[in-house]
Amino acid sequence: DAGVIQSPRHEVTEMGQEVTLRCKPISGHNSLFWYRQTMMRGLELLIYFNNNVPIDDSGMPEDRFSAKMPNASFSTLKIQPSEPRDSAVYFCASSFPGTIYEQYFGPGTRLTVT
Amino acid sequence: AQSVAQPEDQVNVAEGNPLTVKCTYSVSGNPYLFWYVQYPNRGLQFLLKYITGDNLVKGSYGFEAEFNKSQTSFHLKKPSALVSDSALYFCAVSNPGGYQKVTFGTGTKLQVIP
Repeated sequence: DAGVIQSPRHEVTEMGQEVTLRCKPISGHNSLFWYRQTMMRGLELLIYFNNNVPIDDSGMPEDRFSAKMPNASFSTLKIQPSEPRDSAVYFCASSFPGTIYEQYFGPGTRLTVT
Repeated sequence: AQSVAQPEDQVNVAEGNPLTVKCTYSVSGNPYLFWYVQYPNRGLQFLLKYITGDNLVKGSYGFEAEFNKSQTSFHLKKPSALVSDSALYFCAVSNPGGYQKVTFGTGTKLQVIP
């Protein structure tokens, strides 16, 4: 199995630009999570999907952030417009049905907003 | 609200010595407890879990953790540390209610000195 796939691995963009991060979960997993990791705030859950439906988006910082999961094999996290404080490593994770605590993380996307 | 505390930002241990990484938790009801490890420039990897049963749980790479209900702790241990164990370790908690949201601690950096 290829594991959770994220793209791009690195993204550098200017303030105000739109950024789209992509994730392909492990086949057969029905839960998907987006996290943000920074030195200051640690690991934060942004949004959780179950069977392609957003269940918990309480961690989404503000309206500039949006996430979609159009099907079981693809999800996007979009930031529009981006700001320097959005610079972080963004992780996608997925898990088997009924075991959301055993999450499989992707390699992450390192986002730098200048 | 559920939470975990990892009181040590960094733990240093000599290779071959036993190691302990501390974690305490707060949750309503019976806890589900987990440890994850993050190697540099990688996503988190699941190490072990406590759901119910024996208070001592064994996980990957020779790690184990001891659940102590009276002290609300779930410390990670290994009898003999390897240099390759050097990484960032995260404790996490969930509970059987709701959608079993997982809350991660702030992480402890383990440095094994040759």
